[in-house]
Amino acid sequence: EDKVVQSPLSLVVHEGDTVTLNCSYEVTNFRSLLWYKQEKKAPTFLFMLTSSGIEKKSGRLSSILDKKELFSILNITATQTGDSAVYLCAGKNAGNNRKLIWGLGTSLAVNP
Amino acid sequence: ETGVTQSPTHLIKTRGQQVTLRCSSQSGHNTVSWYQQALGQGPQFIFQYYREEENGRGNFPPRFSGLQFPNYSSELNVNALELDDSALYLCASSWTGTGGQQFFGPGTRLTVL
Repeated sequence: EDKVVQSPLSLVVHEGDTVTLNCSYEVTNFRSLLWYKQEKKAPTFLFMLTSSGIEKKSGRLSSILDKKELFSILNITATQTGDSAVYLCAGKNAGNNRKLIWGLGTSLAVNP
Repeated sequence: ETGVTQSPTHLIKTRGQQVTLRCSSQSGHNTVSWYQQALGQGPQFIFQYYREEENGRGNFPPRFSGLQFPNYSSELNVNALELDDSALYLCASSWTGTGGQQFFGPGTRLTVL
């Protein structure tokens, strides 16, 4: 059965800290891995990773995929209180059924 | 904002009732996926509609049903509501050419009493 596991489930840091969020996956006929940030309601898209070893970067956030070891990490440097959210990763298969298999998320709290 | 809209924002129902949730997809998107997200959980895939046909379904009973219209908007219907159906219901639209990136609506918070 396809599954996505995220760790840690919860994390509390101080502003300015760097955090690394982990996502491991077992997805049949894997195509891509996506990271989302969820603050109040709808998840907002962060990254889509398809190729192994190529870092994607957006400001203080970056992410990389390892297709051999079946995991991805999301790094946030110089964290700010506005980074407080649940970070979700999802794996997508390559079939016609384009459903995403979601992890439970990592709840990040950044304290001033 | 993603351009995906959902209605209503909040809804309170009692056990046994039926509910219809609506989603308007982002312009140009032909695929709508519905998710149920319970408190503290990641989204659980309910089903997906592509060009008005169901294109995959998660582990949800038949009382969860849906429709997609020619303009690619969609409805999620839930019959015989149960207390455990209380959750945030998210719809996400995408285009088959994007390879997986989905754009989420703000969600509908359903409470079943």
